[in-house]
Amino acid sequence: GENVEQHPSTLSVQEGDSAVIKCTYSDSASNYFPWYKQELGKRPQLIIDIRSNVGEKKDQRIAVTLNKTAKHFSLHITETQPEDSAVYFCAASRAAGNKLTFGGGTRVLVKP
Amino acid sequence: NAGVTQTPKFQVLKTGQSMTLQCAQDMNHNSMYWYRQDPGMGLRLIYYSASEGTTDKGEVPNGYNVSRLNKREFSLRLESAAPSQTSVYFCASSERAGQETQYFGPGTRLLVL
Repeated sequence: GENVEQHPSTLSVQEGDSAVIKCTYSDSASNYFPWYKQELGKRPQLIIDIRSNVGEKKDQRIAVTLNKTAKHFSLHITETQPEDSAVYFCAASRAAGNKLTFGGGTRVLVKP
Repeated sequence: NAGVTQTPKFQVLKTGQSMTLQCAQDMNHNSMYWYRQDPGMGLRLIYYSASEGTTDKGEVPNGYNVSRLNKREFSLRLESAAPSQTSVYFCASSERAGQETQYFGPGTRLLVL
């Protein structure tokens, strides 16, 4: 089955700096890659996703890049703010698959 | 729209007791999922239902059963609770299985003593 590895497990950045989280996946048939944000004590919520027919997608301060050849994808957060402090999860799903496989999560702390 | 709702919010069980976690969605979604999240860990899929009338095992199904009661409701049953099942349980739903946004419920915090 699919295996998704996420690094780093914790990330501390100064407010205003950028944060980058990387994920690798094992199943070359995977073609959908969402990112979820989970604030402390809350439910996970989708923040951005990318499909394998594009290499990059942006939404304001967040962007996701995908390298299909290397089987990895990354989340980039620019100009970090205290409200970006949360746990971020990457996930992958294969075409015609019925489920997501999640990475282990990255705890991001933005220091003011 | 309430989205995805879960009951109860919090439960304490003794080892060997049984209970059912309830989940309902009002978004007319076809697919529903049950995850567990242990402290400091990611989301692990227990069971899912790609469409009404079907259920399939996920990554960690042992010790659990599910019922897709109708399109709206998907319940998770622990027949004989064990301390290893202490966790936060999230239900989620999506319009279609696999490649659509999953919307999560608020979670059920379960403590098994």
